[in-house]
Amino acid sequence: DIVVTQSPDSLAVSLGERATINCKSSQTVFYSSTSKNYVAWYQQKPGHPPELLIYWASVRESGVPDRFSGSGSGTDFTLTISGLQAEDAAVYYCQQYYSLPYTFGQGTKLEIK
Amino acid sequence: QVQLQESGPGLVRPSQTLSLTCTVSGGSMSSGGYYWNWIRQPAGKGLEWIGRIYSGGSTNYNPSLESRVTISVDTSKDQFSLILSSVTASDTAIYYCARAGICTNGVCYNWFAPWGRGTLVTVSS
Repeated sequence: DIVVTQSPDSLAVSLGERATINCKSSQTVFYSSTSKNYVAWYQQKPGHPPELLIYWASVRESGVPDRFSGSGSGTDFTLTISGLQAEDAAVYYCQQYYSLPYTFGQGTKLEIK
Repeated sequence: QVQLQESGPGLVRPSQTLSLTCTVSGGSMSSGGYYWNWIRQPAGKGLEWIGRIYSGGSTNYNPSLESRVTISVDTSKDQFSLILSSVTASDTAIYYCARAGICTNGVCYNWFAPWGRGTLVTVSS
């Protein structure tokens, strides 16, 4: 199985500032034949299911604000949230869909100061 | 837009069988092009992919659960189901169903969207 590890486990960032969440996979999730990284990012608020934010490591899902951005390649990925708003308080998960079984990171809890 | 809704008992006795159904609305499962997945989340913990089924019936399971899991589909009802046998307290979790795309020409669309709202299953005597 590909192990996905996120850092940090939690962070507190002030309103209007930028938050950065890291995700590392135990092996590459980049398909050279398609030049795509098979990583997705989700946001989960209490009492709700996860919601897709980003796929292919950097493509925003329709309707996701452009303050959310994803980057990285190979084994190291980053979710950046710029201009933090109160509604961005949530747990964020990365997921690899490069190979079965699909696996998630342990989650990063974002608190807004 | 497609919506998913889980249903089933909220309480299962240890050693018994957990059975859940996911009903898909706003789209037909038989049109193909998607995998239908089960994912679970113990309270306050992370996400674990359980397995998936294609509308044609082919399945893939997480090896960690494969010996106890069966996923089936009824496209006439736009439903797919999860059976987990010999449950223990460690199977207590919120169970989600979710849709994922397939791979086409080597490009894979296997992220999960949308998700159902989830259903809490507690394993306890």
